[in-house]
Amino acid sequence: AQSVTQLDSQVPVFEEAPVELRCNYSSSVSVYLFWYVQYPNQGLQLLLKYLSGSTLVKGINGFEAEFNKSQTSFHLRKPSVHISDTAEYFCAVTLGSGNTPLVFGKGTRLSVIA
Amino acid sequence: KAGVTQTPRYLIKTRGQQVTLSCSPISGHRSVSWYQQTPGQGLQFLFEYFSETQRNKGNFPGRFSGRQFSNSRSEMNVSTLELGDSALYLCASSWTSGSRNEQFFGPGTRLTVL
Repeated sequence: AQSVTQLDSQVPVFEEAPVELRCNYSSSVSVYLFWYVQYPNQGLQLLLKYLSGSTLVKGINGFEAEFNKSQTSFHLRKPSVHISDTAEYFCAVTLGSGNTPLVFGKGTRLSVIA
Repeated sequence: KAGVTQTPRYLIKTRGQQVTLSCSPISGHRSVSWYQQTPGQGLQFLFEYFSETQRNKGNFPGRFSGRQFSNSRSEMNVSTLELGDSALYLCASSWTSGSRNEQFFGPGTRLTVL
């Protein structure tokens, strides 16, 4: 069965600095990968997804992620963060075929400091 | 287009009671999934319904059940509530079933069991 590890539970970063949120997955078959963001008292919103094709995926709000099959990673990056990016970020994986449910990581709380 | 709506937003129950949560998907979406979110376990998949049929089920006891109506609205029911059932219950809809389809999340129902 597939699983997801988000290596950092909390990441503090100063405003306008770059950030990388790390995500590693385990699966012996092809996968689809997703990053979701959750703002306080809200549901999850999709930031970006990797299904196939280019390994560099661009999403909303200036975020991007790179799929690295050899390292089984899908790290999320943003070159310059804003206060409004303060939120919880979840990496999720599902098998790359059929209909299997999303498996989420434990989440990374990004705190942007003014 | 209106987003996914969940009612009620907040609920307080006591041990042993039962509860029913409701989810209205985005218009045109036929797949509804339910997730439980807790600080300790993170986001865990409960079940998915598509065209009134349960397509997938997570690893939860039989006290957790759900159904979907012909208009795609879904309900989940938890019987004989336990303290550990306190959580944020999230509903997500997608236009069809399948791993690659983006899921749109509602704001959740926060259930507190006393």
